[in-house]
Amino acid sequence: EIVLTQSPGTLSLSPGERATLSCRASQSVRSSYLAWYQQKPGQAPRLLVYGASSRATDIPDRFSGSGSGTDFTLTITRLEPEDFAVYYCQQYGNTPPLTFGQGTKVEIK
Amino acid sequence: QLQLVESGGGVVQPGRSLRLSCAASGFTFGRYALHWIRQAPGKGLEWVAFISYDGNTEYFADSVKGRFTISRDNSKNTLYLQMTSLRAEDTAFYYCARDRGHDAPHFMDVWGKGTPVTVSS
Repeated sequence: EIVLTQSPGTLSLSPGERATLSCRASQSVRSSYLAWYQQKPGQAPRLLVYGASSRATDIPDRFSGSGSGTDFTLTITRLEPEDFAVYYCQQYGNTPPLTFGQGTKVEIK
Repeated sequence: QLQLVESGGGVVQPGRSLRLSCAASGFTFGRYALHWIRQAPGKGLEWVAFISYDGNTEYFADSVKGRFTISRDNSKNTLYLQMTSLRAEDTAFYYCARDRGHDAPHFMDVWGKGTPVTVSS
């Protein structure tokens, strides 16, 4: 089973700043099959990125994913008020099981 | 529009059973694989189960293997999760989600709003 470790646990930033979220896998993720999700309080998760770097439908271009192997990054170039949320990475290259990271909370500083 | 609506959650005693349903609309249900994912209070996401588009392939998390079964009725556009021998640690919000693919687990591009399950005496 691939374990995904996200860092930092909490990121305190101001609107307009750049956010860099990390997701590290315990072993190489086949074909960069890694996705990112955003979850706001009381809501279901929303797909942001799949295949490490492909944005999902209707996701703004301030969100970008990168990485391969064991190290992946989600970057939000200029934080908007609606971007403050919890972000999860998920691997689907070595399944079952599908696994998620523990999440990174992006909070307003 | 694309929609998944879960139902069947509630409060149940340890050792008892519960069946969750997920009704789909806005897409061709029978072409997509589906998942159940859960989230314990204040915790992260945990994948629970997967079923392929035709129901012929199923996968389960070790934590629920042998206790939970997943099924689908493509004629009714509905996904099910039968949960037996429930434990306190099964307490969570349960989401159904559509897989981007057909017969192997990938990522989830459509999610329901979830249904709460509380296992308590």
